Amino acid sequence: SAVISQKPSRDICQRGTSLTIQCQVDSQVTMMFWYRQQPGQSLTLIATANQGSEATYESGFVIDKFPISRPNLTFSTLTVSNLSPEDSSIYLCSTGPNYGYTFGSGTRLTVV
Amino acid sequence: KNEVEQSPQNLTAQEGEFITINCSYSVGISALHWLQQHPGGGIVSLFMLSSGKKKHGRLIATINIQEKHSSLHITASHPRDSAVYICAVIQGAQKLVFGQGTRLTINP
Repeated sequence: SAVISQKPSRDICQRGTSLTIQCQVDSQVTMMFWYRQQPGQSLTLIATANQGSEATYESGFVIDKFPISRPNLTFSTLTVSNLSPEDSSIYLCSTGPNYGYTFGSGTRLTVV
Repeated sequence: KNEVEQSPQNLTAQEGEFITINCSYSVGISALHWLQQHPGGGIVSLFMLSSGKKKHGRLIATINIQEKHSSLHITASHPRDSAVYICAVIQGAQKLVFGQGTRLTINP
């Protein structure tokens, strides 16, 4: 399975600012997924990111709020824009089925 | 009703006890994952199974496709097993649908 390096591990951000989260994979993977885990909740899929095409967003998530880049097969970023306290969550990336759904270590975001 | 239901939501046990966490799902799946999440947030995949039983060390996972039910067992539990255990099913080609997780605490 692949190994994912996710950064930052945690951050505290002011309202109205943005945070960009990076995931670097040690293998070339076709699909990457971005998830949000709100406090006390399970994971919710934000979007699926394929290299060379626009990300596919799940219901309730929009590109203006959660822009995603996928410049190559080993890297992806998720930006959480115009932050509000409701965005305080853990954000995780993962690979897809061909690499055993390996997960990043998570980014714990606190918005103040 | 969630498509993936886990029970119990919280479980506290003494070191050495045999632990069982259950997962029921209501949708068609191609496979099922058991995941472990530690307090820092990172997630590790423990098992992926589509039939029968898998064993890794003190962990055993079983699945009954007809019953749409899976169990995760931990033998000789240890405080380091304390974590959130998440059941996730694979729908279609790739999408994971997650249960709400079971918070396990093992006391010494």
